[in-house]
Amino acid sequence: AQKVTQAQTEISVVEKEDVTLDCVYETRDTTYYLFWYKQPPSGELVFLIRRNSFDEQNEISGRYSWNFQKSTSSFNFTITASQVVDSAVYFCALLLYNQGGKLIFGQGTELSVKP
Amino acid sequence: GAVVSQHPSRVICKSGTSVKIECRSLDFQATTMFWYRQFPKQSLMLMATSNEGSKATYEQGVEKDKFLINHASLTLSTLTVTSAHPEDSSFYICSARDRGTWGPDIETQYFGPGTRLLVL
Repeated sequence: AQKVTQAQTEISVVEKEDVTLDCVYETRDTTYYLFWYKQPPSGELVFLIRRNSFDEQNEISGRYSWNFQKSTSSFNFTITASQVVDSAVYFCALLLYNQGGKLIFGQGTELSVKP
Repeated sequence: GAVVSQHPSRVICKSGTSVKIECRSLDFQATTMFWYRQFPKQSLMLMATSNEGSKATYEQGVEKDKFLINHASLTLSTLTVTSAHPEDSSFYICSARDRGTWGPDIETQYFGPGTRLLVL
């Protein structure tokens, strides 16, 4: 089965706190890609990161960091020193390269950062 | 970066009418486009995969006669919601696969801004 699970439906933090959004995926494919998207209230998806199945290096981009672990099929996303502007719904997604590039989305995590 | 546009951004129609939504890749050629539907507070669900010059492939449970997809060129795919009903009210989002970056090393999709459909 191809599946993405974001167990945290809603998270609420106070500004400047660190927060980690969990993502666990399932696939039998050996070639796949993992994504994180941010969806603000406007609805437009904002691309945050892409990681392919052959690259397990963690990545840091400013206050954002990602931890990819194939051994646990997880691709977690951490926001350091959160800000009110980080409030949005965040989606983790799995792209199946050998199935025409279909994207399977997790359920999403709604992050609320309070001042 | 690559840009995908959708038109209209918002549409309100009466029950029973048909609505066409356009998805365009503005600065690249997209052999494959995808259509997603998102209900409030829910995730994006893939409806269909649209390949240029061929019939669309629909996901299980999506009525192909109700959601007509045409991918007539490498830069344009259209979704027509036929005989729309209130339960079709949703946020429809398209994405385009960049033909120029096709391959296992680089695989990406670009999303349109979405179309909000409200059927009264």
